[in-house]
Amino acid sequence: GAGVSQSPSNKVTEKGKDVELRCDPISGHTALYWYRQRLGQGLEFLIYFQGNSAPDKSGLPSDRFSAERTGESVSTLTIQRTQQEDSAVYLCASSPRTGFNQPQHFGDGTRLSIL
Amino acid sequence: GQQLNQSPQSMFIQEGEDVSMNCTSSSIFNTWLWYKQEPGEGPVLLIALYKAGELTSNGRLTAQFGITRKDSFLNISASIPSDVGIYFCAGQSGGTSYGKLTFGQGTILTVHP
Repeated sequence: GAGVSQSPSNKVTEKGKDVELRCDPISGHTALYWYRQRLGQGLEFLIYFQGNSAPDKSGLPSDRFSAERTGESVSTLTIQRTQQEDSAVYLCASSPRTGFNQPQHFGDGTRLSIL
Repeated sequence: GQQLNQSPQSMFIQEGEDVSMNCTSSSIFNTWLWYKQEPGEGPVLLIALYKAGELTSNGRLTAQFGITRKDSFLNISASIPSDVGIYFCAGQSGGTSYGKLTFGQGTILTVHP
């Protein structure tokens, strides 16, 4: 498809396990973003990648969270030793590049539930 | 950090009524965006505003970028049942913060036929 693709769409795991979430941005988009949305809340910025520049990790809530991006394509968000408060929808977005007049387009998210 | 206050938190209206919601910020943004989110889906961009004072329409939707750059509103005219969803405002700063969107808490809109 032409939009941002995320997988899995749902993930249920036990507390303490590691999880990996995947994002495929829109083709040709050099900027990729991760957000977290807790139930009934707005989106919280986690991290973004712009081309080959160092990612902006300023929104990551703890060192259990990390993300990687392969070139200008797929990104994975990894949460280690998951906790119950990590339960949320994790949304990925992409834009042609980062900057003015570059609106972000979102995928449908991964709903993560920690038991 | 930056905070966006979005109001109202929820609205229950009759089909055909007009709707207005707004966001205010304690700091300046260079861009204001309005998104709509439906259950199980990601937010979909409705309107993007790039200039203070700008008034932009998209069909029955109209949004404005406040002159102070600290607020924005979204109006929906003649609401229909498919307008149901959660509407979010988002602000974007400049410089090294261009990648970060700051979101409001959302306005839940219910339209009764």
